[in-house]
Amino acid sequence: GAGVSQSPRYKVAKRGQDVALRCDPISGHVSLFWYQQALGQGPEFLTYFQNEAQLDKSGLPSDRFFAERPEGSVSTLKIQRTQQEDSAVYLCASSLADWGTEQFVLTFGAGSRLTVL
Amino acid sequence: DQQVKQNSPSLSVQEGRISILNCDYTNSMFDYFLWYKKYPAEGPTFLISISSIKDKNEDGRFTVFLNKSAKHLSLHIVPSQPGDSAVYFCAASDTGRRALTFGSGTRLQVQP
Repeated sequence: GAGVSQSPRYKVAKRGQDVALRCDPISGHVSLFWYQQALGQGPEFLTYFQNEAQLDKSGLPSDRFFAERPEGSVSTLKIQRTQQEDSAVYLCASSLADWGTEQFVLTFGAGSRLTVL
Repeated sequence: DQQVKQNSPSLSVQEGRISILNCDYTNSMFDYFLWYKKYPAEGPTFLISISSIKDKNEDGRFTVFLNKSAKHLSLHIVPSQPGDSAVYFCAASDTGRRALTFGSGTRLQVQP
């Protein structure tokens, strides 16, 4: 597609429910990132994939958060046993160029807004 | 510990005037800096970037200045237009980590 597509755009979950958020990156983009953006804050890094390999998951806040990208394209961020503090916008971003080059630019999706009641 | 700080939560300027958005960072390992613009209900959109080997980069109405000794960068928009009204995020990275660290954003309002 022309841009990074995320679904669902809005998700309301009861505390304790599991949720899955999907990201369709731009075709051919090998790098894929997940960010979490709390209200009034900037995005915070969660995890990074290069193709299907998860190279950095240091930003995942707890072991309830899990991300996968099994075939190197679509990625899913799963949150188990959701808590109220998980309420945020979850942004996916992808890039064609390799990290460290001046052409490296992240293209973000519109995000999935998660509200945990 | 905020490694990238945008100390002005909001800024209002008149159409046609210059907008200057500021950003400070603390991590001396950062070597690549970007500005993103965000409209409501949309993801951040890349605006302009600069690597640490430069002190200025221009793209049309947008110019980013980097002062490494002060660990400070700024985004200048000249002339400002009402369509520039958005939240602007400063972001930084070091090539060792492959992750962007964002500031908390500055909301720019350009008055017609």
